[in-house]
Amino acid sequence: QSALTQPASVSGSPGQSISISCTGTSSDVGGYNSVSWYQQYPGKPPKLMIFDATNRPSGVSNRFSGSKSGNTASLTISGLQAEDEAEYYCSSYTSINTPLYVFGAGTKVTVL
Amino acid sequence: QVHLQESGPGLVKPSETLSLTCAVSGGSMRSYWWSWVRQPPGKGLEWIGEIYYSGRTNYNPSLKSRVTTLVDRSNNQFSLRLTSVTAADTAVYYCASHMAGVNTFDSWGQGTLVIVSS
Repeated sequence: QSALTQPASVSGSPGQSISISCTGTSSDVGGYNSVSWYQQYPGKPPKLMIFDATNRPSGVSNRFSGSKSGNTASLTISGLQAEDEAEYYCSSYTSINTPLYVFGAGTKVTVL
Repeated sequence: QVHLQESGPGLVKPSETLSLTCAVSGGSMRSYWWSWVRQPPGKGLEWIGEIYYSGRTNYNPSLKSRVTTLVDRSNNQFSLRLTSVTAADTAVYYCASHMAGVNTFDSWGQGTLVIVSS
């Protein structure tokens, strides 16, 4: 059982906006701003899309945005495109004496 | 960002030790934490542990008794040893890195599949 809770799947039509939630506790998501989102295609390594809950690395499309409220973080993909179909994982830093980094189980995004 | 490349045996027998190395290129190992993350087939990601360039380590408590990480600064690489493996340790193993003070993995290796089977 993953430490962070994500929906198993989210789908949308091209051009639409979708959001993926990531719910943790005050010991991880709620306690730190160190929430990251990763995109993963089959057979490929994860790619960083959002860090520190809301920041986008250089080179990542501005169609990807992140937010956080309390113990829940969210990734929003606007103007959905076929290339966005992938698995998305959230991750959070936690405290010492636990796994320092915990992940969600992943959300499969399907572009209809 | 640096380039990371994992290497090691793709098949390990149960009860034996899994050993992997991650070569770092395109940058210095200084001021970075060097991590191992694994992903069982069809499943999610699990953080295994990390080592700082100075040699300081942090491990996932669920694996701590079986995990050792080492850093080889002269050869720009770091390694993972996981003892007493079982089929549950079958996974794609990734090396990853993050800058000290920035708790996000911004560089990842391509991953290497390790199967535990007799």
